[in-house]
Amino acid sequence: NAGVMQNPRHLVRRRGQEARLRCSPMKGHSHVYWYRQLPEEGLKFMVYLQKENIIDESGMPKERFSAEFPKEGPSILRIQQVVRGDSAAYFCASSPRTSGHNEQFFGPGTRLTVL
Amino acid sequence: AQTVTQSQPEMSVQEAETVTLSCTYDTSESNYYLFWYKQPPSRQMILVIRQEAYKQQNATENRFSVNFQKAAKSFSLKISDSQLGDTAMYFCASYQVQGAQKLVFGQGTRLTINP
Repeated sequence: NAGVMQNPRHLVRRRGQEARLRCSPMKGHSHVYWYRQLPEEGLKFMVYLQKENIIDESGMPKERFSAEFPKEGPSILRIQQVVRGDSAAYFCASSPRTSGHNEQFFGPGTRLTVL
Repeated sequence: AQTVTQSQPEMSVQEAETVTLSCTYDTSESNYYLFWYKQPPSRQMILVIRQEAYKQQNATENRFSVNFQKAAKSFSLKISDSQLGDTAMYFCASYQVQGAQKLVFGQGTRLTINP
């Protein structure tokens, strides 16, 4: 059973460009979380999605950031008009989300560098 | 709101020694989980150990054990017989079972094991 996959692993963008980060959850997992890790900090929750639904986006910046998890295909975190402050590692985690405790399995992360 | 605090930015010990990493947390919920994650230079998030708040017995995984003090809201990680491969950032995290189960992370402790 393949783990959570994220691509690209490294992404370089110039200020003003768009960044698209992809996350393929583990087989059988229909719930995805996105976290951001700024340099020398812990991970911070951004958004929680179920297939075709955004469940909790309380950690998402109000502008330029969006996320989706379509019925088919990976979850995508999109950052429009990137700025230097968006440089960070972006992790996704997937979960089977049954009742009770649900382990989150992390992908290897995408490191975004904005020039 | 949940908060997780790690007050030791860096720690360093000799190989084979025992080291304890500190973590305090705050939550208004009664049903929650606590975790320690390891992040080596590869940046992959690796689950080290988990503790369910309802369980009084401290969790143990081989050389890793926790000291869970619920009343004090303290959750420390003890690494026995430390090895060079334990060198990494360590993050304490929690989530509330009700709701989105989004993880809240501490700031991290950079642990170095010296030969």
